[in-house]
Amino acid sequence: AAGVIQSPRHLIKEKRETATLKCYPIPRHDTVYWYQQGPGQDPQFLISFYEKMQSDKGSIPDRFSAQQFSDYHSELNMSSLELGDSALYFCASSLRTEQFFGPGTRLTVL
Amino acid sequence: QQQVKQSPQSLIVQKGGISIINCAYENTAFDYFPWYQQFPGKGPALLIAIRPDVSEKKEGRFTISFNKSAKQFSLHIMDSQPGDSATYFCAASMGNQGGKLIFGQGTELSVKP
Repeated sequence: AAGVIQSPRHLIKEKRETATLKCYPIPRHDTVYWYQQGPGQDPQFLISFYEKMQSDKGSIPDRFSAQQFSDYHSELNMSSLELGDSALYFCASSLRTEQFFGPGTRLTVL
Repeated sequence: QQQVKQSPQSLIVQKGGISIINCAYENTAFDYFPWYQQFPGKGPALLIAIRPDVSEKKEGRFTISFNKSAKQFSLHIMDSQPGDSATYFCAASMGNQGGKLIFGQGTELSVKP
């Protein structure tokens, strides 16, 4: 069965640089969620999209923005990166209630 | 403020034993309670989930017990195996709030052979 695809899997950036993370949901899923997971922490909700419209927003810094495109893939754009942005970033997709997570993007900010 | 509280933080169980992880929540508007299993460096994988109108759900070796009045739910892993060693997260969501998951702090399970 098709799963959620995320790219890149690993990303290393310098402070104040910009990063773009991509998410390709499971086919026919209409909702995409982004979560951030710090080392030893639980995943924290950032933002979600339903049918290409933003549906909810969590503790997402103003430096971050996201969108969902016509083909339902989503991108998380992160600017002015800080050391504290180093984390695993997960995308999840759902059709109704069950959320299925991708393998994540490990972002390291140096 | 942690909306979903999970315990214990870590758990060591012998092979063949029962692993029990507990979660408690405050917001009675939560209407969906999943459990996820996560291996290091991997994405959380959905194990089993329950809604508040059901007191117990079993899938294979995994059982969720739900106590609506106490606002608590737990995961039981029967016949625990070394391959079950992972971090387990409980979570909760509200269907009318976009469905974002609120996670517990996680339990690191180690099953000894």
